[in-house]
Amino acid sequence: QSVLTQPPSASGTPGQRVTISCSGSSSNIGSNTVDWYQQLPGTAPKLLIYSNNQRPSGVPDRFSGSKSGSSASLAISGLQSADEADYYCASWDDSLNGYVFGTGTKVTVL
Amino acid sequence: EVQVAESGGGLVQPGGSLRLSCAASGFIFSSYNMNWVRQAPGKGLEWVAYISSGSRTKYYAGSVKGRFTISRDNAKNSLSLQMNSLRDEDTAVYYCARDPVVGDHPYYFDYWGQGTLVSVSS
Repeated sequence: QSVLTQPPSASGTPGQRVTISCSGSSSNIGSNTVDWYQQLPGTAPKLLIYSNNQRPSGVPDRFSGSKSGSSASLAISGLQSADEADYYCASWDDSLNGYVFGTGTKVTVL
Repeated sequence: EVQVAESGGGLVQPGGSLRLSCAASGFIFSSYNMNWVRQAPGKGLEWVAYISSGSRTKYYAGSVKGRFTISRDNAKNSLSLQMNSLRDEDTAVYYCARDPVVGDHPYYFDYWGQGTLVSVSS
């Protein structure tokens, strides 16, 4: 089981703001940066946010990341139907000597 | 254009072996650390293994340590994953992923392949 905990699901109507939490510990999020990946149905994961709050080129500014202590959050503003996907947080874990992914959150646009 | 493409997946019996490959193009492969990530059917993502650009440093997930071996051939722009003593729970789509950070462990993955399916079943 993953050491990073996310809610299994989140939802909102078009245009709303949705936030996804990612809870870790001092050995991962507490001492390392957090990344977020988006996985659309039937496709490979895509880097969405890196180093806590950095967006790769081409990722809309509707997506934003933040970190506080041993937790992190991904916010999606102006929710669109195209945002329906699974979202995963991830971080390096100093105790496990491994890169750990969160449990994943399925976002549904109502 | 940066591309990574996995191959080598298939059906294998428990206890068997399989070797996955990842062909890279569109970037200077020898300058980048690389990783394997897998996803069991209907499940979440699991990081599997990491290799530094010059093959000096390797890390493995606890679930595969001692059974899987990551390697690379910079002259051929190729990444490999040798999987031995395969178990039912190794059934997954395996992705090859590039790490853009010059660091001493995985930082994040900016390019992913489309994956190759490994099925372990009798």
